[in-house]
Amino acid sequence: EAQVTQNPRYLITVTGKKLTVTCSQNMNHEYMSWYRQDPGLGLRQIYYSMNVEVTDKGDVPEGYKVSRKEKRNFPLILESPSPNQTSLYFCASSTRTSGSGMYEQYFGPGTRLTVT
Amino acid sequence: GENVEQHPSTLSVQEGDSAVIKCTYSDSASNYFPWYKQELGKGPQLIIDIRSNVGEKKDQRIAVTLNKTAKHFSLHITETQPEDSAVYFCAASETGGTSYGKLTFGQGTILTVHP
Repeated sequence: EAQVTQNPRYLITVTGKKLTVTCSQNMNHEYMSWYRQDPGLGLRQIYYSMNVEVTDKGDVPEGYKVSRKEKRNFPLILESPSPNQTSLYFCASSTRTSGSGMYEQYFGPGTRLTVT
Repeated sequence: GENVEQHPSTLSVQEGDSAVIKCTYSDSASNYFPWYKQELGKGPQLIIDIRSNVGEKKDQRIAVTLNKTAKHFSLHITETQPEDSAVYFCAASETGGTSYGKLTFGQGTILTVHP
């Protein structure tokens, strides 16, 4: 089954304690992204990756790091989490569909993070 | 960069009525406009999309319209059913060239369909 998986699904942590949220896709997609979802703000892109070892900042990258060492994995790292990073996080992957040039993004189930 | 505004933020309808959600975008280079549905506890899922060379697209009970001159596009759901209750997001993207299709999302609309 084609899917994007994220772990953990729920996480409660304390300020300053480093954490990693993993993301993996089994569709051989070259593009992967991380978003955060906050009420009234929609989905905002944190970081994206166009392929292995190629990453770039999205709209709200402060306080986050990513890496793309393998095509299927795109972990999100919070080196020193703060309460304003409490949010719902989604990983997504996509590829250019042949002929149309369009990209359908496939989203993971989300990770709800609470930083106290 | 692109900015997408979505209205209304909440929409409540009776089963069988129609629902309309509207979005405006700012970047005239955007040429791809998808709509995503997010059910409770799940990630967003693509339900319909439209390209800038098309004015309208239908898929059963849902349709999207695009006015490129005015830079706005809309989602229309007819004969709504309780299972249509969800959060709906519009998005805009520029595709082609070296672009990888970065999506800019609207703020979301919580649709509630009452039986």
